[in-house]
Amino acid sequence: EDQVTQSPEALRLQEGESSSLNCSYTVSGLRGLFWYRQDPGKGPEFLFTLYSAGEEKEKERLKATLTKKESFLHITAPKPEDSATYLCAVQAETGANSKLTFGKGITLSVRP
Amino acid sequence: GAGVSQSPSNKVTEKGKDVELRCDPISGHTALYWYRQSLGQGLEFLIYFQGNSAPDKSGLPSDRFSAERTGGSVSTLTIQRTQQEDSAVYLCASTASWVETQYFGPGTRLLVL
Repeated sequence: EDQVTQSPEALRLQEGESSSLNCSYTVSGLRGLFWYRQDPGKGPEFLFTLYSAGEEKEKERLKATLTKKESFLHITAPKPEDSATYLCAVQAETGANSKLTFGKGITLSVRP
Repeated sequence: GAGVSQSPSNKVTEKGKDVELRCDPISGHTALYWYRQSLGQGLEFLIYFQGNSAPDKSGLPSDRFSAERTGGSVSTLTIQRTQQEDSAVYLCASTASWVETQYFGPGTRLLVL
């Protein structure tokens, strides 16, 4: 069974204090690993897809990396508007459907 | 362009009543998914529609849950005889094909009293 574990559950940062969010996964053949951002009362907003170990993608202050066992979402010099819940999900190569298996999310709070 | 839309935004119902939740996918997207997000839990897969193929219902938690997709577009998730444990956010996502990114709607927040 595919599993995704995210840590820490919650993270409080001071504005400008860089950090990383962890996503560990087990999957029967990885087709893709996805990062989403979710604001309170909203649906998940797509950030990145990573397909193979060693791949990296960047968007503004965010950088996502992937190994064979985990992914990191690095946040450089965060701002209060980066406060949100960050979701990690995996999609397996095999299986009848292409569902995403999600972790429970990491709630990030950035203080001004 | 327009994203995935869902209605209603919020639904409060009494235990034992039936509810219908609606999803309008992005125009042209052939694949549609329903997920459930319970408090403190990750998103949980419910059901998957791809084109005209039979839906994958493997994630539905009980036979009180059903869904249909009419004309390859709009989908309705129906929960019969609602229970308090059905209280959650129900999210719909669509994609152009199963290999593409899933884009989510804003969700329907269901509260069963």
